[in-house]
Amino acid sequence: DQQVKQNSPSLSVQEGRISILNCDYTNSMFDYFLWYKKYPAEGPTFLISISSIKDKNEDGRFTVFLNKSAKHLSLHIVPSQPGDSAVYFCAASEGNTPLVFGKGTRLSVIA
Amino acid sequence: GAGVSQSPSNKVTEKGKDVELRCDPISGHTALYWYRQSLGQGLEFLIYFQGNSAPDKSGLPSDRFSAERTGGSVSTLTIQRTQQEDSAVYLCASISGTGLTGELFFGEGSRLTVL
Repeated sequence: DQQVKQNSPSLSVQEGRISILNCDYTNSMFDYFLWYKKYPAEGPTFLISISSIKDKNEDGRFTVFLNKSAKHLSLHIVPSQPGDSAVYFCAASEGNTPLVFGKGTRLSVIA
Repeated sequence: GAGVSQSPSNKVTEKGKDVELRCDPISGHTALYWYRQSLGQGLEFLIYFQGNSAPDKSGLPSDRFSAERTGGSVSTLTIQRTQQEDSAVYLCASISGTGLTGELFFGEGSRLTVL
């Protein structure tokens, strides 16, 4: 029973365009959401987060949107760069519980 | 070092053998997690340690798995009588403060292959 779902295993985007990575969750008690980025043979690194009291958080080229009623969040990267090519994991938590991760989406940014 | 350090980076073992995976968290970080990533899967929570509190072992898949954290720092994950389904990348992460959420700092992982 997956609580955090990333339904697209892969995504290809042209350099300079917008990348949109999607994530759905089933637990309405989740109150904190994060995106992690992972390069091959490296551990995941934190990218951006959002609390459930917000619906948007922006950090440079990265913006996370949260739609609580739809239990959906998305990560927008604009403009996309070749160095953004990686696997992106969505994660969520409820209070002080361990993060629950999705299966990841592999983003390929084509030059 | 500055980051979370894990060893070995790669381990190939035969089915039925025991393995130990080590994690050295960021100095001063009070909480430590173990996750694993099997092929095509997301990160699966295994266990976490917070200070001197009893560890949360709710994610351990079987009693063949155990972990300890000595002196509030280095942690060892032990898998006894390994099975092929144990093959995965085992990731350790640490976090400062008392909260379990927020920015986890991950190590590079230990890739375990059980033949």
